[in-house]
Amino acid sequence: AQRVTQPEKLLSVFKGAPVELKCNYSYSGSPELFWYVQYSRQRLQLLLRHISRESIKGFTADLNKGETSFHLKKPFAQEEDSAMYYCALRTSGTYKYIFGTGTRLKVLA
Amino acid sequence: GAGVSQSPSNKVTEKGKDVELRCDPISGHTALYWYRQSLGQGLEFLIYFQGNSAPDKSGLPSDRFSAERTGGSVSTLTIQRTQQEDSAVYLCASSLGLAGGGLKETQYFGPGTRLLVL
Repeated sequence: AQRVTQPEKLLSVFKGAPVELKCNYSYSGSPELFWYVQYSRQRLQLLLRHISRESIKGFTADLNKGETSFHLKKPFAQEEDSAMYYCALRTSGTYKYIFGTGTRLKVLA
Repeated sequence: GAGVSQSPSNKVTEKGKDVELRCDPISGHTALYWYRQSLGQGLEFLIYFQGNSAPDKSGLPSDRFSAERTGGSVSTLTIQRTQQEDSAVYLCASSLGLAGGGLKETQYFGPGTRLLVL
């Protein structure tokens, strides 16, 4: 069965420190992976997708098929990064998404 | 253009009553999704519509939950005989899907309906 695991419910880091939000997946096919973010009082929105290999707001994520991981990283956290982050997997051949339980990131001043 | 809209924004109901939640997707989006967001459970997939195909209902938690999408546009999620554990934020999202999302395929979320069952 497809599954997305985000082991940390809450991650607190100090401003300027590196941050890594963990995401592991279980899927027998070829996955498409995404990170979505929800800032306070805003809608859930796409942050980045693995297929684009992009950096958004300083965040990057690399798909590691060997470890079945798609961790989100940023070298220097900012206070405005505080938000809820969801990792998601899209099953191939469909447009169905499986989301993880989310990690709340708090960046402390 | 207008984004995904949902109504009502908040709904308080008594246990045992039926509720209907509405979602207006972005025009031209063929895919529509319903999720439930609750503390500790993250974002739980409920149901997914893609064009005229039969919906994927595999995430509906019980037969008290149902959804329909009329004319390939507006969708309603109905919860019958509500229970306290149904209290959550219900999110709707839409995407281009088979209309040509491809590498640009992105889900756009609505603001959600916060349901409280007393």
